Amino acid sequence: DAGVIQSPRHEVTEMGQEVTLRCKPISGHNSLFWYRQTMMRGLELLIYFNNNVPIDDSGMPEDRFSAKMPNASFSTLKIQPSEPRDSAVYFCASSFPQGLQETQYFGPGTRLLVL
Amino acid sequence: GEDVEQSLFLSVREGDSSVINCTYTDSSSTYLYWYKQEPGAGLQLLTYIFSNMDMKQDQRLTVLLNKKDKHLSLRIADTQTGDSAIYFCAESILAGGGNKLTFGTGTQLKVEL
Repeated sequence: DAGVIQSPRHEVTEMGQEVTLRCKPISGHNSLFWYRQTMMRGLELLIYFNNNVPIDDSGMPEDRFSAKMPNASFSTLKIQPSEPRDSAVYFCASSFPQGLQETQYFGPGTRLLVL
Repeated sequence: GEDVEQSLFLSVREGDSSVINCTYTDSSSTYLYWYKQEPGAGLQLLTYIFSNMDMKQDQRLTVLLNKKDKHLSLRIADTQTGDSAIYFCAESILAGGGNKLTFGTGTQLKVEL
């Protein structure tokens, strides 16, 4: 298996532009997570899906952020409009729960810079 | 509460043991995890421990859990330069029908020759 795939790996954009980050989870995994990592705040959970349904989006910073999972093999995280403070590394992770034990497998991340 | 805290930096000499500490606050945690992040990469699972256990050993890694004090540690024996990375502990809590991880701040381990 190729693991969790994220694209693009790097994104540089100007303030006000729309940014779309993409994720393909590991085949067979039914949970998908979006995280944001910054020096100041560390690793923050933004939203997670179970069987394509958003379960907890309490970590989404504000209405400028939205996430979708139209099917089991694809998810997007969109920022519109983007702001410089959104600059961070965004990780997608997927998992398949085995009871209470659930290993999350992380993608390589998308490094976003908003100028 | 869901705060997970770690010290930010640790420096050790190659061949020595490293001990990375973590404290968490939620007593209902089911599993606790250690992840490793190398530069420019995502997090990779190292090991995990069930909350009813107090120790787990996996080759050079030893995890100790003190549930009463909500303290978790990761010991790396015979630390190598390839172990230089950021190490995150995480607690898992049942939430919304799934398992939600709360990560610590991460400890940057530097291994010197």
